[in-house]
Amino acid sequence: GAGVSQSPRYKVAKRGQDVALRCDPISGHVSLFWYQQALGQGPEFLTYFQNEAQLDKSGLPSDRFFAERPEGSVSTLKIQRTQQEDSAVYLCASSSDRNYGYTFGSGTRLTVV
Amino acid sequence: KNEVEQSPQNLTAQEGEFITINCSYSVGISALHWLQQHPGGGIVSLFMLSSGKKKHGRLIATINIQEKHSSLHITASHPRDSAVYICAVIGSGGGADGLTFGKGTHLIIQP
Repeated sequence: GAGVSQSPRYKVAKRGQDVALRCDPISGHVSLFWYQQALGQGPEFLTYFQNEAQLDKSGLPSDRFFAERPEGSVSTLKIQRTQQEDSAVYLCASSSDRNYGYTFGSGTRLTVV
Repeated sequence: KNEVEQSPQNLTAQEGEFITINCSYSVGISALHWLQQHPGGGIVSLFMLSSGKKKHGRLIATINIQEKHSSLHITASHPRDSAVYICAVIGSGGGADGLTFGKGTHLIIQP
């Protein structure tokens, strides 16, 4: 596609519910990143994929967070047993090379009530 | 201390004013990004630079590697420039953690 597509755009979840957030990167982009952006803050790194390999997951805040990119294209960020502190915008970015331009998706705004 | 510091945090100016947003970082970097984020919108990459100066329209970005400092300038500012401007760096350590972001500068340009 022409850009990085994220879905859903908005998600309201009840506390304890599991959610799955999808990122469809630019075709051919090897690198894919997930970021979490709390209200009024800059994005914080969550995890990084190079093709299907998850090379860094050091930013995932707890074992309730899980990300995958099984075929090296679409990625899914799953949050189990959501908590209120998980409320944030989740951003996905892709790049053909991490040292070059990044293209960001519009993000998924997750609200846990 | 955040590795990437931006100033000011908030800036309100009148249409036509010259705007400067500053970014200082404490780590070695391979490149620095300036990003723009509109309310409810996604992030748009404005510039990526590793040295010198880049210009695009009314936007100018400069970086001083020795001083670990970058500035984003907007000339003849317009209300449509109102957005959050975020500085982000790519570390030179070779790690896979992508960008490290500043907290952003919230810019409002009043007509």
